[in-house]
Amino acid sequence: AQTVTQSQPEMSVQEAETVTLSCTYDTSESDYYLFWYKQPPSRQMILVIRQEAYKQQNATENRFSVNFQKAAKSFSLKISDSQLGDAAMYFCAYRSRQGGSEKLVFGKGTKLTVNP
Amino acid sequence: EAGVVQSPRYKIIEKKQPVAFWCNPISGHNTLYWYRQNLGQGPELLIRYENEEAVDDSQLPKDRFSAERLKGVDSTLKIQPAELGDSAVYLCASSLDLTSSYNEQFFGPGTRLTVL
Repeated sequence: AQTVTQSQPEMSVQEAETVTLSCTYDTSESDYYLFWYKQPPSRQMILVIRQEAYKQQNATENRFSVNFQKAAKSFSLKISDSQLGDAAMYFCAYRSRQGGSEKLVFGKGTKLTVNP
Repeated sequence: EAGVVQSPRYKIIEKKQPVAFWCNPISGHNTLYWYRQNLGQGPELLIRYENEEAVDDSQLPKDRFSAERLKGVDSTLKIQPAELGDSAVYLCASSLDLTSSYNEQFFGPGTRLTVL
């Protein structure tokens, strides 16, 4: 079974600075998706960024980028120019690309605090 | 376009009482998911529907939990009787269908259940 580990329960960053959130995962599959979700206090999970395992290029979405190291099974999220609105829980998630497998496997999350 | 709608947002009940949660997915989305998120954890899948068929309910505690998705649109998740350990946030998500290459899951705001 696949597992996702987020080793940082909490992180903090100064506004306008850069922060990196760590994620490692375990799988025997070669083709899969990886995601970072943001969950603010409103509880609604919002997709931040996704990465397809067969793509070597790291995904980027505006101020958010990932460092995907497939061999190391590592998938970190970098937030540049942090804003107060970035404060939230961040969850790393894995999803198989095998036919019929739509289950997201989440890590335990990292609470990000942004200090003004 | 409206997102995934869930009600109620909060529910407080005494143990051994029944409780039900309702979810209305995004219009046109064939796949519906129910996740449970315990305090300090990431969400875990309870059940997945493809239209009105439950295709993955392996994590649903069937002795007390039940779900239905009549007509392949709205869904209801029920717990009867509730136990203290059922206190959690119950998230509903929907996605378009399995034929889309990415099949992003969109989440609702969740129902926070407290069992006293």
